[in-house]
Amino acid sequence: GESVGLHLPTLSVQEGDNSIINCAYSNSASDYFIWYKQESGKGPQFIIDIRSNMDKRQGQRVTVLLNKTVKHLSLQIAATQPGDSAVYFCAEMDSSYKLIFGSGTRLLVRP
Amino acid sequence: DVKVTQSSRYLVKRTGEKVFLECVQDMDHENMFWYRQDPGLGLRLIYFSYDVKMKEKGDIPEGYSVSREKKERFSLILESASTNQTSMYLCASRNGGYNSPLHFGNGTRLTVT
Repeated sequence: GESVGLHLPTLSVQEGDNSIINCAYSNSASDYFIWYKQESGKGPQFIIDIRSNMDKRQGQRVTVLLNKTVKHLSLQIAATQPGDSAVYFCAEMDSSYKLIFGSGTRLLVRP
Repeated sequence: DVKVTQSSRYLVKRTGEKVFLECVQDMDHENMFWYRQDPGLGLRLIYFSYDVKMKEKGDIPEGYSVSREKKERFSLILESASTNQTSMYLCASRNGGYNSPLHFGNGTRLTVT
């Protein structure tokens, strides 16, 4: 079936470094992707989204890259800060317009 | 900013009780969703609603029902709570466009004893 997965369950980075969180998706027909951030005790917070007609989209300190050839999505966080410590989820929109979420990657920022 | 409010942060209920989880959004969004979140399983869709009085089953609807009498409010009902329904429940809303993000509340952590 359709699925979204993450390569690394935990990522540890030094404060100030750039972070890259990866995600693989299985449905080549998916045409909308979202990244969420979830801090402890809170609900997922929308970070950035991208449609399949794009391969890159930038926000404030974040960039999402989409490689449809290998069905890969990544989230890049520039100059990672302690406040970026959280679990990050990718999600894809399936053919029935429901979002399918991955299980998440935990980002730990070392001071 | 979109605000999705879940009425309870923590709930403890006994097996067999009927449980109501309430969710209200303030952005006039048409679509509303209920998910549960469990360690290692990610977010799983229970029910969703595209409009008032409408409801659709998600991936794991068994043991749950929903009610959407007003556009801003979407209630999740556990007809007879069981211990395997102990979980974090997340409500979300979205405007009518399919290619738009869901906005989540902060969740209700339900424990069934």
